[in-house]
Amino acid sequence: GENVEQHPSTLSVQEGDSAVIKCTYSDSASNYFPWYKQELGKRPQLIIDIRSNVGEKKDQRIAVTLNKTAKHFSLHITETQPEDSAVYFCAPAGFQKLVFGTGTRLLVSP
Amino acid sequence: ETGVTQTPRHLVMGMTNKKSLKCEQHLGHNAMYWYKQSAKKPLELMFVYSLEERVENNSVPSRFSPECPNSSHLFLHLHTLQPEDSALYLCASSQAIDRGAGELFFGEGSRLTVL
Repeated sequence: GENVEQHPSTLSVQEGDSAVIKCTYSDSASNYFPWYKQELGKRPQLIIDIRSNVGEKKDQRIAVTLNKTAKHFSLHITETQPEDSAVYFCAPAGFQKLVFGTGTRLLVSP
Repeated sequence: ETGVTQTPRHLVMGMTNKKSLKCEQHLGHNAMYWYKQSAKKPLELMFVYSLEERVENNSVPSRFSPECPNSSHLFLHLHTLQPEDSALYLCASSQAIDRGAGELFFGEGSRLTVL
């Protein structure tokens, strides 16, 4: 089965700083790479995703980069704001099945 | 509002009780999922249904029994649970799993406490 690791498990930054979360996976057949954000007491929601034929995707302050050779992809958040504070999950997927990482708790201090 | 509704939002039950969790999606999706989220573990996939047919059962104990009467509704029937089953149970839907993985739309979850 797929082994998924996220690093770091906790990340504290000052408002305005950048944050990077890395996700490492084991299944070379994975071809879909999403990131979900879960605010405290709320449901997980997709914030950005990328497919294996693309190396990078950007949406305003967030971006995802993919290194298929090394089997990892990363979430980049620039100009962080307090509302970015949440738990972030990667979920690399093969044909049908998403396997969620253990999550990274991001805390953005004003 | 993501179009996926779960009830009840909170449930407290004893180990000998029988209860059910309900999930309804209004998105026209063909796939529905149950996930378990506890403090110590990441989101754990429990069951996957595609067009009302169960396509995955991740070694879940038989005290959890899913039911999918149609593509819009999903139930999780609970009986003789253990305290370690206390967790947040999340329902999700996606467009169609036969086209490969895509975005999951989650409900708000049902917070279960087993006494």
